[in-house]
Amino acid sequence: QQPVQSPQAVILREGEDAVINCSSSKALYSVHWYRQKHGEAPVFLMILLKGGEQKGHEKISASFNEKKQQSSLYLTASQLSYSGTYFCGTDPPARFGAGTRLTVKP
Amino acid sequence: DAGITQSPRHKVTETGTPVTLRCHQTENHRYMYWYRQDPGHGLRLIHYSYGVKDTDKGEVSDGYSVSRSKTEDFLLTLESATSSQTSVYFCAIGRRLAGGPSTDTQYFGPGTRLTVL
Repeated sequence: QQPVQSPQAVILREGEDAVINCSSSKALYSVHWYRQKHGEAPVFLMILLKGGEQKGHEKISASFNEKKQQSSLYLTASQLSYSGTYFCGTDPPARFGAGTRLTVKP
Repeated sequence: DAGITQSPRHKVTETGTPVTLRCHQTENHRYMYWYRQDPGHGLRLIHYSYGVKDTDKGEVSDGYSVSRSKTEDFLLTLESATSSQTSVYFCAIGRRLAGGPSTDTQYFGPGTRLTVL
């Protein structure tokens, strides 16, 4: 089953923060986060393992609560370049959430 | 760059015609995947392969078949294309991060936009 992401869309001003949530109905060993720009392929951001530490990429970090089977992506002090659709994915062969469209405005 | 190419990049075809999409990788990875992407559905797994001639179905495999006769090539075939198969198709490979955990993550090719009229 596909993970469930929320919110479906979010609009920010530059410098604002956002949180994207991902939950799964099945037990996970890892959670993978991707970002996709319009017309391009998804690009891997980070992986979080069960029992692992919170990971970071630029000013983007994430956490993974394996007991709740939930992960959250934190975007801090957002930049225009953060705009795109964010997907969470399960262990390979990955099932992906429907995505969260993030728009950062000047 | 994970060395993944897809061909063709764009294709328009008619209902009922067979279509084959090709995914080619240059890094000898064992795992390869086919996804389709449609608005509101994100990426959905069609089929995947864990070695030459070893394949398995994903969540939306009806109407699709795959073949992998060489490590570097993974083919997706629509035996008789339908309008519901109009989509963007992404191939991905599974690769371990250098210095990373002992689990694969997936890297995507550029995609093929298929339109079935």
